[in-house]
Amino acid sequence: QKEVEQDPGPLSVPEGAIVSLNCTYSNSAFQYFMWYRQYSRKGPELLMYTYSSGNKEDGRFTAQVDKSSKYISLFIRDSQPSDSATYLCAMSAGGTSYGKLTFGQGTILTVHP
Amino acid sequence: EAGVVQSPRYKIIEKKQPVAFWCNPISGHNTLYWYRQNLGQGPELLIRYENEEAVDDSQLPKDRFSAERLKGVDSTLKIQPAELGDSAVYLCASSLDPSGKNFNEQFFGPGTRLTVL
Repeated sequence: QKEVEQDPGPLSVPEGAIVSLNCTYSNSAFQYFMWYRQYSRKGPELLMYTYSSGNKEDGRFTAQVDKSSKYISLFIRDSQPSDSATYLCAMSAGGTSYGKLTFGQGTILTVHP
Repeated sequence: EAGVVQSPRYKIIEKKQPVAFWCNPISGHNTLYWYRQNLGQGPELLIRYENEEAVDDSQLPKDRFSAERLKGVDSTLKIQPAELGDSAVYLCASSLDPSGKNFNEQFFGPGTRLTVL
């Protein structure tokens, strides 16, 4: 079993919809939780990160972390065609493992006009 | 400011041939990472450098893979000999000091797409 599990989708939604993306994990040492967006033929780019449990909002994006359930989510409000990409969750522990990211397999999202 | 630069962008080789990938990190970033991303999967860390030192190479298949980061700036990842299963995108990333005191974003390059025939 992988340390981080992510539903690969694909997910197809109409423009304006609310999108929910999720990951579960098994390593209780993870403290930093990130969401990356990856367009085709590009490298991943960081959307948001959260330290420990809680919510974080940035414009149309909201990240949630529930460490008790080992479950993280990314919500996209008023989705746009430009949001069409692969969304990757990533996690890292602190200390000497700080720089090591463990990624989920990614969810392919398509927002159609 | 330029981002992480990688070359070549695409490479097609036959199995058993050698191949090398080059990465130039963002100026001032002392930490450099090489990841491998298989089709339909997330990136997996191969090796992490802090300056010239490889601080985590536990996931690097050392029988055929090697990496170097001379002078703590550019880095090269080599595969010799390549196998069919090495077909993947090889991503380079860089960040500032990952001491753990503050969150440091990893910035990724566009990757090198390797196809082994």
